[in-house]
Amino acid sequence: NAGVTQTPKFQVLKTGQSMTLQCAQDMNHEYMSWYRQDPGMGLRLIHYSVGAGITDQGEVPNGYNVSRSTTEDFPLRLLSAAPSQTSVYFCASSYWRDNEQFFGPGTRLTVL
Amino acid sequence: KNEVEQSPQNLTAQEGEFITINCSYSVGISALHWLQQHPGGGIVSLFMLSSGKKKHGRLIATINIQEKHSSLHITASHPRDSAVYICAPHSGTYKYIFGTGTRLKVLA
Repeated sequence: NAGVTQTPKFQVLKTGQSMTLQCAQDMNHEYMSWYRQDPGMGLRLIHYSVGAGITDQGEVPNGYNVSRSTTEDFPLRLLSAAPSQTSVYFCASSYWRDNEQFFGPGTRLTVL
Repeated sequence: KNEVEQSPQNLTAQEGEFITINCSYSVGISALHWLQQHPGGGIVSLFMLSSGKKKHGRLIATINIQEKHSSLHITASHPRDSAVYICAPHSGTYKYIFGTGTRLKVLA
């Protein structure tokens, strides 16, 4: 099993550009989530999904969209990138909401 | 006041020392996770606890639900244990609350 995969590993954007961070898992997990990690702060939940077709907002959803058309994939879209979105983004999955979470390797995003 | 407090924030130890990292939280929880983040950035789940104690190799995690406190112990520490250790209580909704982490450095 590949576990949780994320692409790209690194990305540099200009202010106003849009892009999609990809996340996929091959463990048939229902629960998937996106977090951002900033220096001096804990991981913060952006959006989560409890199954295909079901998504909801987390703690810091503004400026991000998600969709879950399949159990495996959970892409995160930045609509119009801003310097405040410079961060490291982690995707995670688990069988259910409070089970062990498996994390992807992260995407380091810089917005100029 | 933060919902999750970890202590210490930074810790330097000599190889072989016994290490304790503490986590206090203020919300009711269904489970608590301990995570390890290596210098390269990857995050790995170490334990999930809802009561008592769990052991895996040289790592031991305990939780006291009444006191809203958990500890992570590392016995016979080794330089490869150098990482950031993150406490993450789960409130029973779809939300984890993450501590800011304890940065551990073990010197050879």
